[in-house]
Amino acid sequence: DQQVKQNSPSLSVQEGRISILNCDYTNSMFDYFLWYKKYPAEGPTFLISISSIKDKNEDGRFTVFLNKSAKHLSLHIVPSQPGDSAVYFCAASGGGGSQGNLIFGKGTKLSVKP
Amino acid sequence: GAGVSQSPSNKVTEKGKDVELRCDPISGHTALYWYRQSLGQGLEFLIYFQGNSAPDKSGLPSDRFSAERTGGSVSTLTIQRTQQEDSAVYLCASSNSGRIYGYTFGSGTRLTVV
Repeated sequence: DQQVKQNSPSLSVQEGRISILNCDYTNSMFDYFLWYKKYPAEGPTFLISISSIKDKNEDGRFTVFLNKSAKHLSLHIVPSQPGDSAVYFCAASGGGGSQGNLIFGKGTKLSVKP
Repeated sequence: GAGVSQSPSNKVTEKGKDVELRCDPISGHTALYWYRQSLGQGLEFLIYFQGNSAPDKSGLPSDRFSAERTGGSVSTLTIQRTQQEDSAVYLCASSNSGRIYGYTFGSGTRLTVV
């Protein structure tokens, strides 16, 4: 059973507009969430994260929102640029203070059209 | 090194053969992880090494898979008697203490079993 779900396999957005990528999770013990970006033939790279004690974290054009009651998080990219075209993975980790492993979603492929 | 290095970048092998995949983590990183991404799937956790502790092998899909980490640095993932369903991109990641920055991934090894 998938604990981290990205229900949209792909998303197409016009350059300059907002991209919203969604992620749902089932495990209420998750206390840390991350977004990774992956270009073809490269490994995923860390983009932005959020702790469960917060509901928003912003870094430049990227903002992550967390709704714990709905077990839902989203990544907003504004304005979107063609270079943002990539696969975006949502990931979550459990509590207890240990790093353990990250649980990843299946990814959403974002295409930003000029 | 500056990043996580994986070798080979591509490997084609015949069904039934054994393969070894290598990962050189970032110097000083205490944690090392192996994931794999099959076609159309998310990143699937395989195994996690943290310092001198016993590895977390809970993600290994069968006893044909094993991994070791020598001297707390280089890791080798071994797949014995490869099957076609083992075809995937195998990703290694390392991290230092503190989850806030997440992992640093290598570019992966694309394994094709024919």
